[in-house]
Amino acid sequence: DAGVIQSPRHEVTEMGQEVTLRCKPISGHNSLFWYRQTMMRGLELLIYFNNNVPIDDSGMPEDRFSAKMPNASFSTLKIQPSEPRDSAVYFCASSLEGGASQQYFGPGTRLTVT
Amino acid sequence: AQSVAQPEDQVNVAEGNPLTVKCTYSVSGNPYLFWYVQYPNRGLQFLLKYITGDNLVKGSYGFEAEFNKSQTSFHLKKPSALVSDSALYFCAVRWLYNTDKLIFGTGTRLQVFP
Repeated sequence: DAGVIQSPRHEVTEMGQEVTLRCKPISGHNSLFWYRQTMMRGLELLIYFNNNVPIDDSGMPEDRFSAKMPNASFSTLKIQPSEPRDSAVYFCASSLEGGASQQYFGPGTRLTVT
Repeated sequence: AQSVAQPEDQVNVAEGNPLTVKCTYSVSGNPYLFWYVQYPNRGLQFLLKYITGDNLVKGSYGFEAEFNKSQTSFHLKKPSALVSDSALYFCAVRWLYNTDKLIFGTGTRLQVFP
């Protein structure tokens, strides 16, 4: 299995631009998670889906952030408009349903907003 | 509320010596506990988990962890450290019984010196 796939791996954009991060979970996994990691705030859960339905989006920082999961094999995290404080590494993870299952993380997207 | 704490920001150990990375938790009910490792510029990788049963859990790369209910701890251990074990280690606890959400600790940086 290829594992969780994220694209792009690196993104540099200017403030005000729209940014779209993409994730392909492991086939057969029905839970998908978006995290953000920074030195200041550590690892934060932004949103998670179960069977393509958003379950908990309490970690989404503000209305500039949105996430979708149109099907079981694809999810996007969009930031519009982007701001310098959004600079971070964004991880996607997937797991089988059930709290005993471990999450499998993608390699992350390093976002820099100038 | 469910929470997990990693009291040490950094742990230093000489190669060949035993290592311990500490984790304590606060949950209502029986916890599901996890350890993950993050190497530089990589996503988190699952090491081991405690769900039920034997308090000593063995995982990848020779790591093990001991679940101690009375002390509400789940410390990560390895009998003989390797320089290649140097990384960032995260403890996590499942949020609630009916969710896949994990609460991560702040991470402990392990540095193994030759």
